Amino acid sequence: KNEVEQSPQNLTAQEGEFITINCSYSVGISALHWLQQHPGGGIVSLFMLSSGKKKHGRLIATINIQEKHSSLHITASHPRDSAVYICAVRSGGFGNEKLTFGTGTRLTIIP
Amino acid sequence: KAGVTQTPRYLIKTRGQQVTLSCSPISGHRSVSWYQQTPGQGLQFLFEYFSETQRNKGNFPGRFSGRQFSNSRSEMNVSTLELGDSALYLCASSLGGTSVQYFGAGTRLSVL
Repeated sequence: KNEVEQSPQNLTAQEGEFITINCSYSVGISALHWLQQHPGGGIVSLFMLSSGKKKHGRLIATINIQEKHSSLHITASHPRDSAVYICAVRSGGFGNEKLTFGTGTRLTIIP
Repeated sequence: KAGVTQTPRYLIKTRGQQVTLSCSPISGHRSVSWYQQTPGQGLQFLFEYFSETQRNKGNFPGRFSGRQFSNSRSEMNVSTLELGDSALYLCASSLGGTSVQYFGAGTRLSVL
């Protein structure tokens, strides 16, 4: 079982729909990152969370440390939101820290 | 403020050769991390440097090595290239610790 599991793997939605992408992890973490990767490879860091909730524009990220679960929400989705969304967790102690990635959720927003 | 710069963007090598990739972090960032992305394995952590010291290392063979210079620029070296080393290599810089990481555009390495 992977340390970081994302669901769904693929998601197609109509423009304007509310989108939820989920991330579950099995290890103790110091932080969780949500990343966006567009075709061509460029990665943008959307959020870094260690507790609670963060909002940036139409994007909202939440984390529940007790349940080892995080969600990324997109409100009023737009075709430019089409990308792969990747969850990554930072775990381990000093000298042994690492960032472990989920396999990503491919989001396609249809106009 | 300039972003993270990786050079070269594309590279073609043959098996057995070695390659060096370069990463210039955002000014003021002292932490540089390297990642490998392949269609089969996804994104995997290679190593992290902070103030010229390797702090953390992923599960990659010794053929993969790196270093960081006093100006925080980092290089990654892969020796005795194998076909399976074909991948997108990404570096990311940050202030350190659990700070947000900023990614470069990557170097796409093809091993023939």
